[in-house]
Amino acid sequence: GEDVEQSLFLSVREGDSSVINCTYTDSSSTYLYWYKQEPGAGLQLLTYIFSNMDMKQDQRLTVLLNKKDKHLSLRIADTQTGDSAIYFCAERQAGTALIFGKGTTLSVSS
Amino acid sequence: DADVTQTPRNRITKTGKRIMLECSQTKGHDRMYWYRQDPGLGLRLIYYSFDVKDINKGEISDGYSVSRQAQAKFSLSLESAIPNQTALYFCATSNSYNEQFFGPGTRLTVL
Repeated sequence: GEDVEQSLFLSVREGDSSVINCTYTDSSSTYLYWYKQEPGAGLQLLTYIFSNMDMKQDQRLTVLLNKKDKHLSLRIADTQTGDSAIYFCAERQAGTALIFGKGTTLSVSS
Repeated sequence: DADVTQTPRNRITKTGKRIMLECSQTKGHDRMYWYRQDPGLGLRLIYYSFDVKDINKGEISDGYSVSRQAQAKFSLSLESAIPNQTALYFCATSNSYNEQFFGPGTRLTVL
């Protein structure tokens, strides 16, 4: 398909791990990104991964990339209530701006 | 001080009015973007500019126009606003790695 696809909602308990999944469209995409949007705020870049990598870890965040399936995931370890937000996956296609998914709303309950 | 600023932050207007949303950045980036965000639809690209002399249409440019007055300034205009243009509008800039940096957003309501 033409769209970057994400599930719309994820609900987890505080302390659990969260995994947000994304399917992107273009196998030639060079960079893939995860953005976080807190209520009433703009988007904040969380992390990105270059297409020649399979995994990137940054503190509680782990990004996994499966190029064969065009699948990207973001794992948040020890999820906290402050992690509640909308998470957007985005891909960079050659010569264009970023293409964003519709966002996954993460709800963390205590 | 914020690196990407947008004015106004909120605006209520009437159908048929002309509206300009302004964006300024202090990051020194050449690339600037305008997106709109609607609930359940994510972000959709309206226009983008890779340098002062470059303007490109995005996914949903109809009903909008832009002006790149300087490297640091990129404005979005609605020539004749209509209610379905009610949305949250974001300006962004990017570096050569396409790490995008977003402004705080402008909430526009068209009555």
